[in-house]
Amino acid sequence: AQTVTQSQPEMSVQEAETVTLSCTYDTSENNYYLFWYKQPPSRQMILVIRQEAYKQQNATENRFSVNFQKAAKSFSLKISDSQLGDTAMYFCAFMKHKGAGGSQGNLIFGKGTKLSVKP
Amino acid sequence: NAGVTQTPKFRILKIGQSMTLQCTQDMNHNYMYWYRQDPGMGLKLIYYSVGAGITDKGEVPNGYNVSRSTTEDFPLRLELAAPSQTSVYFCASTTLNDGTEAFFGQGTRLTVV
Repeated sequence: AQTVTQSQPEMSVQEAETVTLSCTYDTSENNYYLFWYKQPPSRQMILVIRQEAYKQQNATENRFSVNFQKAAKSFSLKISDSQLGDTAMYFCAFMKHKGAGGSQGNLIFGKGTKLSVKP
Repeated sequence: NAGVTQTPKFRILKIGQSMTLQCTQDMNHNYMYWYRQDPGMGLKLIYYSVGAGITDKGEVPNGYNVSRSTTEDFPLRLELAAPSQTSVYFCASTTLNDGTEAFFGQGTRLTVV
């Protein structure tokens, strides 16, 4: 069974600074996807960034980037130039690749990290 | 394009009452899911469906039932509400094609008293 661990329940950062959220996971699969989702106070789950395990290059989306270490099973999220609107819960999630046996496309989530961006 | 629509957004139930959480998507996605989110926890899978007429249990199915008569709709039924079912419920859908983004509804906050 896969597990996802986020070891930082809460973090804070000053506006315009950089923050890194940690995520580790456990799996015996070789092909899979990793995601970071943002959940603001509105409750909406918003996809921030996605990484495919077979791609060595780290994914980036504007101010968001990941450090994907497959051998270490680590998937951290870096937020640069933090903005007040980045205040939210951030969830790391794992999904088996569609070609993997038993993959039904469901996500396995960590417990989340509550990020506060301070002015 | 509405995406995934859940109703209601909020509900208070008394112990032993029943209700159905509605979920519909207009993206023609085959795969649909129900998750629950307890305070301080990530989302956990209740039930999922890989297409019309096909459903299966997830990690925490006890106390719930689902049906999938059409591609668009995936309602979640609570038969005898219990305080342990107080949670936020999310419906999601995906195609499982390359890209694989899951689209989520706005969530339903359910309180059982």
